[in-house]
Amino acid sequence: DAGVIQSPRHEVTEMGQEVTLRCKPISGHDYLFWYRQTMMRGLELLIYFNNNVPIDDSGMPEDRFSAKMPNASFSTLKIQPSEPRDSAVYFCASSPPGGLFNEKLFFGSGTQLSVL
Amino acid sequence: DQQVKQNSPSLSVQEGRISILNCDYTNSMFDYFLWYKKYPAEGPTFLISISSIKDKNEDGRFTVFLNKSAKHLSLHIVPSQPGDSAVYFCATRNFGNEKLTFGTGTRLTIIP
Repeated sequence: DAGVIQSPRHEVTEMGQEVTLRCKPISGHDYLFWYRQTMMRGLELLIYFNNNVPIDDSGMPEDRFSAKMPNASFSTLKIQPSEPRDSAVYFCASSPPGGLFNEKLFFGSGTQLSVL
Repeated sequence: DQQVKQNSPSLSVQEGRISILNCDYTNSMFDYFLWYKKYPAEGPTFLISISSIKDKNEDGRFTVFLNKSAKHLSLHIVPSQPGDSAVYFCATRNFGNEKLTFGTGTRLTIIP
């Protein structure tokens, strides 16, 4: 299995531009998570989906952030307009069905976002 | 408000010695605890976990200890090897909730 695939690996953009991050979860996984990593806050959960339905988006910092999962094999995280404080590494992760005792997330390699 | 804290941003340990990474949490409802390891330019990978019904779990060179009364978790690596140099995140979860809450991470450097 190819694992969780994220694109692009690096994104450099100017303040005010729209940014779209993409994720392909592992086939058969029904949970998908978007995390953001910063030095100050570590890994923060932004939003997660179960069977393509958003379950908890309480971590989405502002209305400028939105996420979609149109099907089981694709998700996007969009920032519009982007700001310099959005600069971080964004990770997508997926996990298989496992009921209450599923213990593992499988992470992608992340997207390094720099907003100038 | 940080519910999971790793107060040491970095730690350096001599090769062959014991590495001890610490994690504190505030929510007594957390019932499952995990450690993830992250190399540069890669995503975190699962390392070891422990349920709240246990106070210790071992997997080879890695042992996780849980002190529920102190709301404290630690990861012991012995003996430490150069390949253990990475950032280590602790993570916790509430029973019945798939959502993992991560700490800020500790960068471990093993000195040859």
